[in-house]
Amino acid sequence: GDSVTQMEGPVTLSEEAFLTINCTYTATGYPSLFWYVQYPGEGLQLLLKATKADDKGSNKGFEATYRKETTSFHLEKGSVQVSDSAVYFCALSDRGGGGNKLTFGTGTQLKVEL
Amino acid sequence: GAVVSQHPSWVICKSGTSVKIECRSLDFQATTMFWYRQFPKQSLMLMATSNEGSKATYEQGVEKDKFLINHASLTLSTLTVTSAHPEDSSFYICSARDEDITYEQYFGPGTRLTVT
Repeated sequence: GDSVTQMEGPVTLSEEAFLTINCTYTATGYPSLFWYVQYPGEGLQLLLKATKADDKGSNKGFEATYRKETTSFHLEKGSVQVSDSAVYFCALSDRGGGGNKLTFGTGTQLKVEL
Repeated sequence: GAVVSQHPSWVICKSGTSVKIECRSLDFQATTMFWYRQFPKQSLMLMATSNEGSKATYEQGVEKDKFLINHASLTLSTLTVTSAHPEDSSFYICSARDEDITYEQYFGPGTRLTVT
């Protein structure tokens, strides 16, 4: 079946540091890939997505590129802020958009310190 | 933006009792809602898909008689954990699908259930 593997946390960075959170997936066919973010006390929010190979999703300074050859969708940000502290989930859908069944990774907690 | 609420945010119940969790889409209608369960340091696992006006679709391994789902209106789905046991203690998260504009899922903040 489908699965998503992402790096364990917590990841602790200083403000303005470069962020990478690794995510790899296993799926049949051509899934859509997503990053969701969960701030303390709030529900998961869609951060960015990519629906086909080589697509780059981007939002709020975060980027991720759909790499079919390495089955990866790593999340990056050039300069993190304290306000980026949250839990980040990588996910896939094997039936197109994010409105369908989602398979999630375990989540990676990011802590950004001054 | 699309907002989904859950009530209660946390609940403690005794073993053998039942507890109901509500999921509401506040500013959009949702024919379809999803219920997830999350264990500590593990991913969200889809339990069931809730469809307004029809029976829920349960994922393999989820007991439908234990986790009763009722999607009574286009803005409300409920999950009832019946005859709860300590192993049912978990974080339950719902989402609602906006089928008019974005076709994305919008997630509630979750409900922490502790069964003593």
